Amino acid sequence: AQSVTQLGSHVSVSEGALVLLRCNYSSSVPPYLFWYVQYPNQGLQLLLKYTSAATLVKGINGFEAEFKKSETSFHLTKPSAHMSDAAEYFCAVSDAGGTSYGKLTFGQGTILTVHP
Amino acid sequence: EAQVTQNPRYLITVTGKKLTVTCSQNMNHEYMSWYRQDPGLGLRQIYYSMNVEVTDKGDVPEGYKVSRKEKRNFPLILESPSPNQTSLYFCASSSRLALEQYFGPGTRLTVT
Repeated sequence: AQSVTQLGSHVSVSEGALVLLRCNYSSSVPPYLFWYVQYPNQGLQLLLKYTSAATLVKGINGFEAEFKKSETSFHLTKPSAHMSDAAEYFCAVSDAGGTSYGKLTFGQGTILTVHP
Repeated sequence: EAQVTQNPRYLITVTGKKLTVTCSQNMNHEYMSWYRQDPGLGLRQIYYSMNVEVTDKGDVPEGYKVSRKEKRNFPLILESPSPNQTSLYFCASSSRLALEQYFGPGTRLTVT
């Protein structure tokens, strides 16, 4: 069975500071990993995905994440936070290469607050 | 424009009154899925469908039904809603090539 743990349900940073949102996963097959963002009263938007190519993945809005197999981690970072980054972020794992094609298992979510 | 649509966006109903939330996608995706989102629990899969007439249970299927008679549509049915089904519901679709799932805007359901 797959699982995802996001460390920290709330993260608060100053505008211009580094953003680091932590995600650890558990998977019995090589995983595909995703970060989604949810702005208030909106659906989920894909930020970036890892599908067994480059371990450092660049996404939209200046975000990137690094897949570390030895640490079973896929942390999301952004060098300089912007007020518009305030949202809830979800890490998710899929065994799209296995039998449960397409199913996403989500972490609990991390609410990012950016203050001036 | 490629999109997943859901209707209604907001719904308040009473216990036991059957309801259907519709979901439609225009991307010719094989895979469609329903999730519910609850605070502190992230999103949990209710049901999914690999293709027309092929559906299966997700992690929290109790109290829900689905059908997939057409490739583009995947309605979620609550035959006897209860207050513990008050939640935010998302429909999603994907293809084997795309891998990531595309989400609808969500349906906020309140059962009193």
